Formats: sequence, C-alpha cells, structure tokens
Amino acid sequence: EVQLVESGGGLVQPGGSLRLSCAASGFTFSSYYMNWVRQAPGKGLEWVANIKQDGSEKYYVDSLRGRFIISRDNAKNSLYLQMTSLGAEDTAVYYCARGPDYQFMDVWGQGTTVTVSS
Amino acid sequence: QSVLTQPASASGTPGQRVTISCSGSRSNIGGDYVYWFQHVPGMAPNLLIYRDNQRPSGVPDRFSGSNSGTSASLAISGLRSEDEADYYCAAWDDRLRGLVFGGGTKLTVL
Repeated sequence: EVQLVESGGGLVQPGGSLRLSCAASGFTFSSYYMNWVRQAPGKGLEWVANIKQDGSEKYYVDSLRGRFIISRDNAKNSLYLQMTSLGAEDTAVYYCARGPDYQFMDVWGQGTTVTVSS
Repeated sequence: QSVLTQPASASGTPGQRVTISCSGSRSNIGGDYVYWFQHVPGMAPNLLIYRDNQRPSGVPDRFSGSNSGTSASLAISGLRSEDEADYYCAAWDDRLRGLVFGGGTKLTVL
C-alpha cells in the first residue's frame, strides 16, 4: 500500500525553526517528484515546494523562497522541509504529496500540524 | 487572492449534475494541464482529475474535467451525499515557476 506519513509538526515560537519529515512506503520513492502543500486554518490549499527525483531541481512558491528548504534522502525514503523564521502566517497543516511529474500530486499524506504562537 | 479563480460555493440535490469552474490565464491553464482535487476537511486531499480530463483508477466516471483556453471545469453528475467536500483546481504556472491552486469551492449536497 502506498503510504506517506508526515511528522515533526508542533508548537513553535515566532521566529523559530522546525523541520518536517515525510516517510514514504509502498512505492519506489526515488522515481517520483515530491511536494509539500499546506492549508492554513480556514484557508485553501497552498503549494509550498517540490523536488525532483534526484534532488537536482527544486521549486518554491515565491513568498517562501529563502525561508523554507525542501530536501530528500532516497536511501531513507524520506522527504524533509526545513522551515525558518516562522511567523503566525505559517500556522497550517502541512501535507507531503507524491508527484508523478513536477506538475501535480497523486498521493497525499494525512498531514502534520504546525502552530506558530508565543 | 488565488491565482486561479473558483466560485466559493456550489450546491445541488442528489442525482443532479453540478459544474465547478476554474479561471486562470495563459501562463497557467492556458498553457498547461489542469488538475482537480477533492478535500474532505480532516482527511488527505484526493486527486480526482489529472491532465485536464483523465481519471485516476478508483475515481468514478461521474467526475469529468475539461479545459478550454484559460478556463477549466469539473462536472459531477449523479450527485451523491458523499460528494460533499471542498474542490480545488490547480495548474503549473510557467511565469511563477510553481503550482497554483484555486481558492476552493465548497460543494453542498442539499
């Protein structure tokens, strides 16, 4: 069974950092693009970033470039999102999602919640 | 303000056909494929339509998609109570070099 399980969410103070992880199983992880997508409370889905199969190409939403870094470890079947200088606007459920190509996602995880608050 | 524009809400009665629109520009819908996702709050989003009009295995043929120029639409026929969810369109934007979503349409089955 194809599965994506996010972890690493929690409560963080404004200005702090957090690293999210996504453990993949049930498919050949190294054959797919991988994405992070978030949903703030009461808002719609927002694509955050994606990364090519070998990590050689990364795309980010303009508003987050420089603060968030996407990475992957194909040997560990894992995807990561390093988030820095967090603000209240980063409070959201963060989803990990598999991408057959750079344009879309076909399998999503259940999400991990990040709350930025003092 | 989302790059792709969807109506905030839509509704229908069981058995009806409902259409949800998604409007964009030449840099996204007009030049690339459109994707549709169904999202029940609290659950993982689900891919409904890919590459304008293709259905993943397991998605009923009650769901169909189309793309014409800079607009796209999702049609749901034979509406069922379990179709009540939020629906999002998405497309790659060549100018922004990123994936953009519509603001989402909340579908209510009356």
